[in-house]
Amino acid sequence: EAGVTQFPSHSVIEKGQTVTLRCDPISGHDNLYWYRRVMGKEIKFLLHFVKESKQDESGMPNNRFLAERTGGTYSTLKVQPAELEDSGVYFCASSQDLRMSSYNEQFFGPGTRLTVL
Amino acid sequence: EDQVTQSPEALRLQEGESSSLNCSYTVSGLRGLFWYRQDPGKGPEFLFTLYSAGEEKEKERLKATLTKKESFLHITAPKPEDSATYLCAVQAQAGTALIFGKGTTLSVSS
Repeated sequence: EAGVTQFPSHSVIEKGQTVTLRCDPISGHDNLYWYRRVMGKEIKFLLHFVKESKQDESGMPNNRFLAERTGGTYSTLKVQPAELEDSGVYFCASSQDLRMSSYNEQFFGPGTRLTVL
Repeated sequence: EDQVTQSPEALRLQEGESSSLNCSYTVSGLRGLFWYRQDPGKGPEFLFTLYSAGEEKEKERLKATLTKKESFLHITAPKPEDSATYLCAVQAQAGTALIFGKGTTLSVSS
């Protein structure tokens, strides 16, 4: 079974440019999450999709960040315009079914390392 | 405020030298406590979920335990391949987001 995949693995952009990150969850997982780790800090939650709906976007830092999950499959996270403080590693995770505790585990992708110069 | 604190930040062990990592947490109603392993340049790899105080889970040389205030990850007779950063995260009853600690970086030398 394929795990969570993310693209690209690395991205280097100039301040003010736009970047789009993509996440493909594990097949059959309705829940998709975005997290971010800024250097020296812990991994922090950004938002949660259930299928194509945003369930919780309380962690999104500001309106420069836009997440979408069309058709309830893959998701994109767009940063526009990028600022220096947006640099970090962006992780995507997916889980199967929150109603059953045994399916609550979140499985993470390898991350996208974003550097804003 | 929900919070997770891991200690120590870094731990160096000799191969075969057993030890424990600590994860202290405060959360408004615990839904689950999760342990992950992270290797450099990779995403967190799921290890265990613990749901209630007194629960224990084992996997090879790792054993995770849970109390009402903290969790321990015991490493028995570690090997160099156990070297990694170990992350602890909690999930509150009211939400689905994982709240992470900063992690403990374990180095095991032969």
